[in-house]
Formats: sequence, C-alpha cells, structure tokens
Amino acid sequence: NAGVMQNPRHLVRRRGQEARLRCSPMKGHSHVYWYRQLPEEGLKFMVYLQKENIIDESGMPKERFSAEFPKEGPSILRIQQVVRGDSAAYFCASSKNSDTEAFFGQGTRLTVV
Amino acid sequence: DQQVKQNSPSLSVQEGRISILNCDYTNSMFDYFLWYKKYPAEGPTFLISISSIKDKNEDGRFTVFLNKSAKHLSLHIVPSQPGDSAVYFCAARVGSSNTGKLIFGQGTTLQVKP
Repeated sequence: NAGVMQNPRHLVRRRGQEARLRCSPMKGHSHVYWYRQLPEEGLKFMVYLQKENIIDESGMPKERFSAEFPKEGPSILRIQQVVRGDSAAYFCASSKNSDTEAFFGQGTRLTVV
Repeated sequence: DQQVKQNSPSLSVQEGRISILNCDYTNSMFDYFLWYKKYPAEGPTFLISISSIKDKNEDGRFTVFLNKSAKHLSLHIVPSQPGDSAVYFCAARVGSSNTGKLIFGQGTTLQVKP
C-alpha cells in the first residue's frame, strides 16, 4: 500500500510563472489536506478537500493560490504568478475519513528564482 | 498569533539518556494533541498522540504528558537513541471531525549524541 505520493519532489520556477503541485492520496483515502512550511517555521494549514469539494480553505492566500481534488486523478495545488516568497516546502496529507489519522507525503520543495 | 509554541529550537542529549521536548498552547478548545517526527527532505511522520481527556499516553520509548491547567504538553523519549535525531513537531486540533486540520508548533531539533 503506497503512501501519499507528491510530485514533483523539487520544482524551480521563475518569478511570474505558474507552479502545479500534485498529490495522490493513499489508496482508499478521500480526504486531502495541503500544508506549507516556510524556512525555520512549522507547517501551516492551507486547505482541506474531499473529492470534488473544498471543505475548508481558511489557510489559503486570497490571491494566486487555488486547489482542486477532482473525481479522477490527484489533488492539485496551483500557484499562479509565483513570487520569491512562495518558496517553501508544500506537504500534502490524506485520511480515509474525517475522523481518522492523516498521513503526510514527502513534500514538494518549490524554489522561485 | 502562534497558538502552539515550541520555545526550544534545539535540544542535545547523550545516547541512553532521557529527551524531554516541550510544547505550550493557548487555545483551550484543542481536544487532541499529536507529536510528529520529521527527517530532512521527508514529510512528518506521526509518532504519538493524546486526547484532552487524558494526562498521559505511552507507546514504547515514547510518553506524552498533558497538563491542561497549564496548557502544556511534553514528549519524553527514554532511552534516547541516535536514530531519534530529527525535528519534532507538536500539533493540535479542534474537534474530532476534522483530523487533518492541525495547528503545528515551530519544531524542536533533537540531536542524540552517541
């Protein structure tokens, strides 16, 4: 049973470009969470999704950031017109139900140059 | 507003001794607390948790203590091993119906010296 898979592991984008981060949850998991970790800080909650629905996006920046979890395929975190301050590690976690433990992926390290 | 705080950025202990990592929180609505361990370039791995209705939970070498009146919890690792060297995050959640939405502390880097 594969764990939570994130790709790419490393992503370099120039300022102004778009970044797309992918997360495939564990088999049987339909709940996905995205977190961001800035250097020297803890993880900060961004968004909680179930299949085709955004449940809680209270941690998402108001502009340039969006997330989806379609019926088929991975969850996508999309950052438009990236800026240097978007450089961080982005982690995805998944759970089977809303009241069961969430497991984290290995993260995508985004560097904006 | 940092609701979960780990005031010690780093801790160094000798192999075989006890490691004590501390965490303070401000939100009295937190009902569940977790500790995660993280190696460089990897995601956090769940270690141990405790419900707010308990004051202690033990799993092998790891014990978590919760002092609700002080809004403080601690993770004890005994005996410490070099493989325990990692960053440890304390996390908290509100409500049992949203287990993946966690509030994390800043982390404490533990180094266990052989």
